[in-house]
Amino acid sequence: NAGVTQTPKFQVLKTGQSMTLQCAQDMNHEYMSWYRQDPGMGLRLIHYSVGAGITDQGEVPNGYNVSRSTTEDFPLRLLSAAPSQTSVYFCASISGAGDTQYFGPGTRLTVL
Amino acid sequence: DAKTTQPPSMDCAEGRAANLPCNHSTISGNEYVYWYRQIHSQGPQYIIHGLKNNETNEMASLIITEDRKSSTLILPHATLRDTAVYYCIVRGGGSNYKLTFGKGTLLTVNP
Repeated sequence: NAGVTQTPKFQVLKTGQSMTLQCAQDMNHEYMSWYRQDPGMGLRLIHYSVGAGITDQGEVPNGYNVSRSTTEDFPLRLLSAAPSQTSVYFCASISGAGDTQYFGPGTRLTVL
Repeated sequence: DAKTTQPPSMDCAEGRAANLPCNHSTISGNEYVYWYRQIHSQGPQYIIHGLKNNETNEMASLIITEDRKSSTLILPHATLRDTAVYYCIVRGGGSNYKLTFGKGTLLTVNP
């Protein structure tokens, strides 16, 4: 298994641009989530999904959209990038049986 | 979910046991204690979790006090590769999978 994969690893955007961060998992996990981590801070939950077709907001959802059309994929869309969205973004999925949350390697986003 | 308190940093000598404390005095009866770690710039890695009994796996041991208001993560023989930020997280059971991360403890293992 590849686990949780994220693309791209690095991205630089200009203010106002839009883009989609990709996240995929091959473990057939129902629950997936997106976090952001700012320098010196812990992770904060952006959006999460408990299964295909079901999404909900986390702690800091503003400026981000998600959808979950398949079990494997959970993309995060930035509608109009702002410098405040400069951060490292982590995607995660969870094994319901073991309650273990697996994290991807992260996407480092800079908005100029 | 209950809030946790951890020291911001700790040091440990290589080969010695690392004992990382966590206070969670407002924990409720159905909330689990989870430990994750984050090695520089990588995604967090699950270590261990428990409800009220002590737990051990290949990575670490988790000691939870009888009143469940605090816990200690023990890395029995710390190596340089264990240098990381360690997060103690309390969350509800069932389908509530949300994890609330604080600032964690930066453990530095010294040669």
